[in-house]
Amino acid sequence: SQTIHQWPATLVQPVGSPLSLECTVEGTSNPNLYWYRQAAGRGLQLLFYSVGIGQISSEVPQNLSASRPQDRQFILSSKKLLLSDSGFYLCAWSDGGRETQYFGPGTRLLVL
Amino acid sequence: GQQLNQSPQSMFIQEGEDVSMNCTSSSIFNTWLWYKQDPGEGPVLLIALYKAGELTSNGRLTAQFGITRKDSFLNISASIPSDVGIYFCAGYPLQGAGNMLTFGGGTRLMVKP
Repeated sequence: SQTIHQWPATLVQPVGSPLSLECTVEGTSNPNLYWYRQAAGRGLQLLFYSVGIGQISSEVPQNLSASRPQDRQFILSSKKLLLSDSGFYLCAWSDGGRETQYFGPGTRLLVL
Repeated sequence: GQQLNQSPQSMFIQEGEDVSMNCTSSSIFNTWLWYKQDPGEGPVLLIALYKAGELTSNGRLTAQFGITRKDSFLNISASIPSDVGIYFCAGYPLQGAGNMLTFGGGTRLMVKP
């Protein structure tokens, strides 16, 4: 069966510091991968998605970037964090376009 | 862009009561998904719907894909305390949005024992 992992679970970082969040998927090949952000008590905002290694699409302009160095690895990064980057970051995968998406456990980021 | 209107935004009910929530759109959707999110966790898929009129159950949960393809509802029967959480509808519109899943704003469910 397929599983999706996110690391770390929680992160507290100072403003201006770099960021790297990791997402890995097991049990499937060539998945579509997604990064979402969720503000407290709010809905999900799609940040990036990827249909293959090295292929990244950005949905909103922001202080963040994403990379897909391996088929089942998706990384969310920032060179300098802003206070407004705080939130709950969720990674998801699907078997292809317009398919059911399955979410990871999330990473809670607090920027101070 | 596409929007999903989910209602109610929140519900506070007594344990044992039935719950109903729905999502509507001005656009036609060809897939409806219902997720539940526990506090501090990622959303978990509850039910997936792929055909207009489809009615699917998962334990005490029942969801339907509206005949017009512009709405879906989720019912929870005999609620229990562990039903607490945020329920999201999501879907792929028939036209536009590419591969992007459109989400409703969520329904926060609170159950009083």
